[in-house]
Amino acid sequence: GAGVSQSPSNKVTEKGKDVELRCDPISGHTALYWYRQSLGQGLEFLIYFQGNSAPDKSGLPSDRFSAERTGGSVSTLTIQRTQQEDSAVYLCASSPGVGDTEAFFGQGTRLTVV
Amino acid sequence: GQSLEQPSEVTAVEGAIVQINCTYQTSGFYGLSWYQQHDGGAPTFLSYNALDGLEETGRFSSFLSRSDSYGYLLLQELQMKDSASYFCAVRDHAGRRALTFGSGTRLQVQP
Repeated sequence: GAGVSQSPSNKVTEKGKDVELRCDPISGHTALYWYRQSLGQGLEFLIYFQGNSAPDKSGLPSDRFSAERTGGSVSTLTIQRTQQEDSAVYLCASSPGVGDTEAFFGQGTRLTVV
Repeated sequence: GQSLEQPSEVTAVEGAIVQINCTYQTSGFYGLSWYQQHDGGAPTFLSYNALDGLEETGRFSSFLSRSDSYGYLLLQELQMKDSASYFCAVRDHAGRRALTFGSGTRLQVQP
């Protein structure tokens, strides 16, 4: 596609429910990143994919968070048993994967846990 | 741990010049980037410095001093549309492509 696409754009869920957030990176980009941004804050790194593998999962805040990437393209971030502190904007970015100096971000998914 | 410090807010008038500073403390350093984010929008890339010195791209310039662990973003001929948050970010590990971001500087441009 022309840019990084994320869905849904907004998600309201009840505490304790599971949610899935989707990211479609720019076609041909091998590197994919998930970040989380709380209101008025910077971006917090969650996980990085190179192809289908995740060499860096160091930012996942707990074992309730997981992510996968299939076919070297679409990625899904899953949050199980959501908590109110999970409320944030979840941003996905992609980059070509070689000699990267720029990451291209999607518009994000605003998650609200009530 | 890793940390990046930048001012939380800056206010300037149209046509003026503003400088947003960023100091970093990271275990490694492989480049300083700047991103712009309008309210409700996606962060967009502005610049990248791997080596010391000034990089200029139109009205925006970015500077890096690796010996001082310091960089800045310079915005000239400010326009109302430049009102946004600006984030510095560091790639701190050769094998880790992900960036560590500062908390952002909210720039308000006034008429």
